[in-house]
Amino acid sequence: AQKITQTQPGMFVQEKEAVTLDCTYDTSDQSYGLFWYKQPSSGEMIFLIYQGSYDEQNATEGRYSLNFQKARKSANLVISASQLGDSAMYFCAMREWYSSASKIIFGSGTRLSIRP
Amino acid sequence: DSGVTQTPKHLITATGQRVTLRCSPRSGDLSVYWYQQSLDQGLQFLIQYYNGEERAKGNILERFSAQQFPDLHSELNLSSLELGDSALYFCASTRAADSPLHFGNGTRLTVT
Repeated sequence: AQKITQTQPGMFVQEKEAVTLDCTYDTSDQSYGLFWYKQPSSGEMIFLIYQGSYDEQNATEGRYSLNFQKARKSANLVISASQLGDSAMYFCAMREWYSSASKIIFGSGTRLSIRP
Repeated sequence: DSGVTQTPKHLITATGQRVTLRCSPRSGDLSVYWYQQSLDQGLQFLIQYYNGEERAKGNILERFSAQQFPDLHSELNLSSLELGDSALYFCASTRAADSPLHFGNGTRLTVT
C-alpha cells in the first residue's frame, strides 16, 4: 500500500536561508508521481512542483526544487532564499498510476515558519 | 484561480442532518477527487471519480456518498452528521496521470 511520511511537524527558518522539507514514500509501483503543495493560513491548496518516477532530472520551479532520490524513496522539497510569504503548511503527495483510477495520498504536512 | 469551483464556502448545520457539497471541475478535467481535512490535520482521501464512474475509494464513511454527473460536476453527500464530521472538504480535479491536482477553495462544514 502507498504511504507518505513527513517527519518534521514544524520548522523555523531565518528569512533568506534555504530550507529542506523531508518526504519519504513507500510504493510497490514502478510508475508514480510525487507532488508538493503549499497551504497558507487562508486554507487554499497551492500546487508547487511535480516529479515523475521516470524523470531523470530533479524538478525545479523557480525557488522550488525537488531532491528526488529514487533508491532511498525520498522526495524532499528545497526552497531557496526563503521569504516571509513562505510561512505555511507544506504537504507531500504521491500518485500511483493504474489506468484512470489512482489514489493520490498526502503526508501529514510540515508547518514552516519563516523568521524575519 | 484554480478553475475548480466548490459551493457553498461555509456550511453550519446540526447533528443528525444531511448536507450536499458541490464541485465543478476545471474545464476538460475528467477526474474528480474529494478530500477531508480536519482541524490541523492532513488531507484524507475520500473518493475519486473519473468520467462519471467511481474509480478509487479511501477512508470514506458509509454515511458519506458521492457521485459525478454527466456534465462532470460532482456532489458529496454527508448524512447523519456528527460533531466529528466538522472539517474542510476539498474537491480537486485533474486531467492526466502526470498532471497535478487542482483544488477548489474548499467547503468548511461546521456541525453543532
